[in-house]
Amino acid sequence: DVKVTQSSRYLVKRTGEKVFLECVQDMDHENMFWYRQDPGLGLRLIYFSYDVKMKEKGDIPEGYSVSREKKERFSLILESASTNQTSMYLCASSQPRGSTYGYTFGSGTRLTVV
Amino acid sequence: QKEVEQNSGPLSVPEGAIASLNCTYSDRGSQSFFWYRQYSGKSPELIMFIYSNGDKEDGRFTAQLNKASQYVSLLIRDSQPSDSATYLCAPRGGAQKLVFGQGTRLTINP
Repeated sequence: DVKVTQSSRYLVKRTGEKVFLECVQDMDHENMFWYRQDPGLGLRLIYFSYDVKMKEKGDIPEGYSVSREKKERFSLILESASTNQTSMYLCASSQPRGSTYGYTFGSGTRLTVV
Repeated sequence: QKEVEQNSGPLSVPEGAIASLNCTYSDRGSQSFFWYRQYSGKSPELIMFIYSNGDKEDGRFTAQLNKASQYVSLLIRDSQPSDSATYLCAPRGGAQKLVFGQGTRLTINP
């Protein structure tokens, strides 16, 4: 089975801190995604990547950046954490276009910014 | 118009009955459609996908697709309390991204 591992299940950070959320997948998937999920707002795409060193903005990239130096790892960076970034963050990976497989999600990181 | 629309619920169904979850989408270029189940506090897990018009069955689950009407549904037969969750509809369009609906919260009452 594809496994997507997010490094932390729960994180508490202070306003203004630089925060790194790590995601690793073990099935050689080209595509990786970062979402945040908030009650009433559903899943919102922050950034995604189709290949190493490639990144594209999703629907809500402001305040975030990403890094993909290796195929299996996709990191989400909160440059200066703010309280409105308190959320559940979900990483996902998938095979490329034409695949009948959807995303496989990690278990999520619940981030609280105080 | 939202890209993917689902009735947020909650949808309450008695145990053993059929639960019917509906989804409409706006992108006519969408080629494949995925249904995810998400338990409270957990991440979404893929339960069904469909890419041809008509029905696709997998155990107690049936996905139905009508591309002309831009409509996809999920039927759950013999509903069990363990089916209580939020169900997310996700079409895949021309790009490689899935677009998620906000989900329908389903409760199965014993």
